Amino acid sequence: LAKTTQPISMDSYEGQEVNITCSHNNIATNDYITWYQQFPSQGPRFIIQGYKTKVTNEVASLFIPADRKSSTLSLPRVSLSDTAVYYCLVGDWNQGGKLIFGQGTELSVKP
Amino acid sequence: NAGVTQTPKFRILKIGQSMTLQCTQDMNHNYMYWYRQDPGMGLKLIYYSVGAGITDKGEVPNGYNVSRSTTEDFPLRLELAAPSQTSVYFCASSQQGAGETQYFGPGTRLLVL
Repeated sequence: LAKTTQPISMDSYEGQEVNITCSHNNIATNDYITWYQQFPSQGPRFIIQGYKTKVTNEVASLFIPADRKSSTLSLPRVSLSDTAVYYCLVGDWNQGGKLIFGQGTELSVKP
Repeated sequence: NAGVTQTPKFRILKIGQSMTLQCTQDMNHNYMYWYRQDPGMGLKLIYYSVGAGITDKGEVPNGYNVSRSTTEDFPLRLELAAPSQTSVYFCASSQQGAGETQYFGPGTRLLVL
């Protein structure tokens, strides 16, 4: 199982772009990179998933370099409501249930 | 379409008591999962199931049991509750493996005194 490393916490201000980088040096060929968001007292919520290069949706962008040993979640123009914990996960659709959540990155957005 | 539902929302148990946490999904997903989350920590996988009748252990299975008699339901059983099981429990489901998008329930907060 690929282990992930991400900063424990980050601070930002409203309107700024936030980039959270995750390291996954042991990523396997069949692994996808997925990011989840968790608000206090709620279950995690899927944000974005990618395999290589760049993926963008209405919420975020995910940048994955060619070697795939890291990935960066980019949140454009954050607001106070983006204050949450963000988890980076690496997993294979065919590896059953063994997907490991790390400690995540606690993002605090200030006015 | 309710997604993943969990009951109860909150429960207080005395040491040694038993209880079942209920989880139901209406998305016809094959995979279901139980996680626990201690304060300030990430989620830890307790048990998971790849389909009705098939379950397997995760990272922290001790003190818990599961069953999967139907596609929709995946109850988690706590036998002989201990203070170390005080946590928030999340159930999740996905169509295929864990690498695919998982949909989480609202959680059950359990306090063992």
